[in-house]
Amino acid sequence: GAGVSQSPSNKVTEKGKDVELRCDPISGHTALYWYRQSLGQGLEFLIYFQGNSAPDKSGLPSDRFSAERTGGSVSTLTIQRTQQEDSAVYLCASSGGGGTKTQYFGPGTRLLVL
Amino acid sequence: QQQVKQSPQSLIVQKGGISIINCAYENTAFDYFPWYQQFPGKGPALLIAIRPDVSEKKEGRFTISFNKSAKQFSLHIMDSQPGDSATYFCAAAGGTSYGKLTFGQGTILTVHP
Repeated sequence: GAGVSQSPSNKVTEKGKDVELRCDPISGHTALYWYRQSLGQGLEFLIYFQGNSAPDKSGLPSDRFSAERTGGSVSTLTIQRTQQEDSAVYLCASSGGGGTKTQYFGPGTRLLVL
Repeated sequence: QQQVKQSPQSLIVQKGGISIINCAYENTAFDYFPWYQQFPGKGPALLIAIRPDVSEKKEGRFTISFNKSAKQFSLHIMDSQPGDSATYFCAAAGGTSYGKLTFGQGTILTVHP
């Protein structure tokens, strides 16, 4: 597709379960970002990938959160032992990199932890 | 140092009116200031962006005004339409932040017909 895609679009899980969220960036985009959007907190940066490496993980809220990117393309955000405060919309964005800073966002994954 | 403050939180405008949303930043290393528009259930979409070497940028009905000395920038929507009703976010990036965006808290715009 032409844009950033994310899956699943919605995820309901029970407290304590692990979840995996997937992001497919725009083809050829080397930079990939994960953000979290929650009520009262706005949009918060989580992690940045350049290629397969993550030079900035400063926004990950705890060690229950991790992410990887393979083949310079698809990225997976994993939340272990989910808590109710993890409920939010998780957004992925990609950018052409190389000084270009325009980020294109996917539709997000709406996570609800019961 | 990394904050971007946005106001107002919500805005109601009549059709045809001008909508104005303001943002202020602290980090002088920021050198890229985009505005995003978000409809319910959708991801944010880039509306318009500016860099600090210009004081104003216009694209159609949307204009960014930038005041580097005051560390403020604003979005003006001329001839506001009901279809403009959405949440608007200002953001900033630059310095050693690898392009990561620092967002304002958002403004919910409602344009009445």
